[in-house]
Amino acid sequence: DAGITQSPRHKVTETGTPVTLRCHQTENHRYMYWYRQDPGHGLRLIHYSYGVKDTDKGEVSDGYSVSRSKTEDFLLTLESATSSQTSVYFCAISPRGQAPMNTEAFFGQGTRLTVV
Amino acid sequence: GDSVTQMEGPVTLSEEAFLTINCTYTATGYPSLFWYVQYPGEGLQLLLKATKADDKGSNKGFEATYRKETTSFHLEKGSVQVSDSAVYFCALSHGSGNTGKLIFGQGTTLQVKP
Repeated sequence: DAGITQSPRHKVTETGTPVTLRCHQTENHRYMYWYRQDPGHGLRLIHYSYGVKDTDKGEVSDGYSVSRSKTEDFLLTLESATSSQTSVYFCAISPRGQAPMNTEAFFGQGTRLTVV
Repeated sequence: GDSVTQMEGPVTLSEEAFLTINCTYTATGYPSLFWYVQYPGEGLQLLLKATKADDKGSNKGFEATYRKETTSFHLEKGSVQVSDSAVYFCALSHGSGNTGKLIFGQGTTLQVKP
């Protein structure tokens, strides 16, 4: 199994509060991603990182920010949580750039976030 | 933009039945195609992949062939088991600079009954 740890695994928070989710990898991969999973939508990309301090927006980035100060850690922050951000959040890593093109991504176990 | 469309589920089959889950895509150029599987309460696991036209990906009895002429990547298995019950996602990877971003279909739930 790819060495990816997400924390926390479950969280309930109130509307308007900030929330930070953490993704930690032990594979030293350059690329890391945050996706959210919602019924009927599959998974959608929130933000991704292609190196320390190098990040970019995905398809559904509004209301989210990310930071990557170390290769192994990629943080996702909800600045002011809303009920529409209730979802399951997955972190993924990829050896892209260290292996042939178009390699697959490996996913963490997910964080179930409920905003009440 | 790029997109992936999967057949709607849920799909309910009896054990040992033949499985097909349809997947079609829209993309420029030559994306890589993937099938991921998600068992209850778990993350996504790569099931198989194909990186160019006419490639066949296979794993654990599942197969899918990259058909560029029909822009499809249908998942098949000859004889399903109860343990195959899961959600299956078709995905493609294609982006400028090869950033590895995945575009997913909406997922298809498979339930296999004994």
